[in-house]
Amino acid sequence: QKEVEQNSGPLSVPEGAIASLNCTYSDRGSQSFFWYRQYSGKSPELIMFIYSNGDKEDGRFTAQLNKASQYVSLLIRDSQPSDSATYLCAVRDPYGQNFVFGPGTRLSVLP
Amino acid sequence: DTGVSQDPRHKITKRGQNVTFRCDPISEHNRLYWYRQTLGQGPEFLTYFQNEAQLEKSRLLSDRFSAERPKGSFSTLEIQRTEQGDSAMYLCASSTQGPGNTIYFGEGSWLTVV
Repeated sequence: QKEVEQNSGPLSVPEGAIASLNCTYSDRGSQSFFWYRQYSGKSPELIMFIYSNGDKEDGRFTAQLNKASQYVSLLIRDSQPSDSATYLCAVRDPYGQNFVFGPGTRLSVLP
Repeated sequence: DTGVSQDPRHKITKRGQNVTFRCDPISEHNRLYWYRQTLGQGPEFLTYFQNEAQLEKSRLLSDRFSAERPKGSFSTLEIQRTEQGDSAMYLCASSTQGPGNTIYFGEGSWLTVV
C-alpha cells in the first residue's frame, strides 16, 4: 500500500523564523510531489509542486526533493502568523492518476 | 475563471438516509476526483473520472457509495443508508490531463450523520 508520512505536529515556530516541514513516501517510482495548505475548516489549496531532485523556490516557500531518500520537504522563510495551518504532502501515484496524501503537519507561527 | 464548485456545503442527515453531493469542476478540466477527509487526517482518495469514465475506485469504498459523471461535466457522489462513520468532509477536485497536472479542490461538502 502506497504511504505518505508526515509528522503530525504541532510544529511551533516564532514569527520571522524558518519553518521546516518534512514528508516521506513509500513508492520509489513516484515522480510528482505536491504541497497543500489547509486552514481549519477549509479545503486544501495548492502551494507548489516539485518533480526534479533539488530545490524549487516560490516566494517564501522552497520545496526540496530527494528521490534517493524518498524525502520531500517544504521550507517557509520569514514565517507569519497567517502561515498557521495544516500542511499536506501529496504524491501522485505513478501507476494511476490518484494523489495520495499524508496526514498533514499542523504549523503554528507564534507572534 | 470559476473554481471547483460543490453543493451542498453542509448536510445533516439521519442515519439510514441517502445523501447526494454535486461537484462542478473547472470548465476545461477533464479529470474529476472525490476525496473524503475526517478530522486530523489527510484527504482519502475515493474515486476519479476522466471525462465520463470512472477509471479508478478505492477498495476502501463500500458499495453504499456510488459516483457518476454522466456527461463528463459535473459529478455526483451518492451515499446510501448513511452511517455515523460517514460523517466527514467530502472533497471534489479537478485537473487537466497530462504528466504535469495538479489537482485543485472545491470548498468541500460537510456531512454530519446523526
